[in-house]
Amino acid sequence: EPEVTQTPSHQVTQMGQEVILRCVPISNHLYFYWYRQILGQKVEFLVSFYNNEISEKSEIFDDQFSVERPDGSNFTLKIRSTKLEDSAMYFCASSEVRGYGYTFGSGTRLTVV
Amino acid sequence: GENVEQHPSTLSVQEGDSAVIKCTYSDSASNYFPWYKQELGKRPQLIIDIRSNVGEKKDQRIAVTLNKTAKHFSLHITETQPEDSAVYFCAPSGQGGSEKLVFGKGMKLTVNP
Repeated sequence: EPEVTQTPSHQVTQMGQEVILRCVPISNHLYFYWYRQILGQKVEFLVSFYNNEISEKSEIFDDQFSVERPDGSNFTLKIRSTKLEDSAMYFCASSEVRGYGYTFGSGTRLTVV
Repeated sequence: GENVEQHPSTLSVQEGDSAVIKCTYSDSASNYFPWYKQELGKRPQLIIDIRSNVGEKKDQRIAVTLNKTAKHFSLHITETQPEDSAVYFCAPSGQGGSEKLVFGKGMKLTVNP
């Protein structure tokens, strides 16, 4: 079964540092998403991306966040200056059809110290 | 914005029993109703979904029923097994044409052998 791949699985960074979280969506999927889950809480939407553009973003996705699809396979989330409250599990997801049948990656646990 | 509630928040059953989890949502424009299973430290995994033009869908021991009038949908698991123990999230989408999933807070199911 095709998978969404995320790297690294765990990242520890100092407050104020930049981090880039990487994702390889399923190859024939066209819609890409980032979600995050603070420990013990529900999953929250960050951003959706299609045709090299952000199609929707949440209030969490402020100017410190950006996304990019630098080549035909990778999809990245950058946090410019990390804060303690950015500590969470970040999930990438992709879908073949807009808004349906998401497949989530295994996540990157980001710890900001 | 969409308000999503799950009940109960925890449920403990004996192996072989049935389990039902209810999800209520506030936005009548929601048109896609998935259920995700998340084991500890792992990704949310889509287990069943239903679209707004269908009232019920079944896949082996799992079924989802939708009541659009009352704005709720439910996950039914029959003949529960210990490996069904996990957190289950509902995540309706489609509000205002949005593709984002709006997750509930989750329900922790424990199946006792």
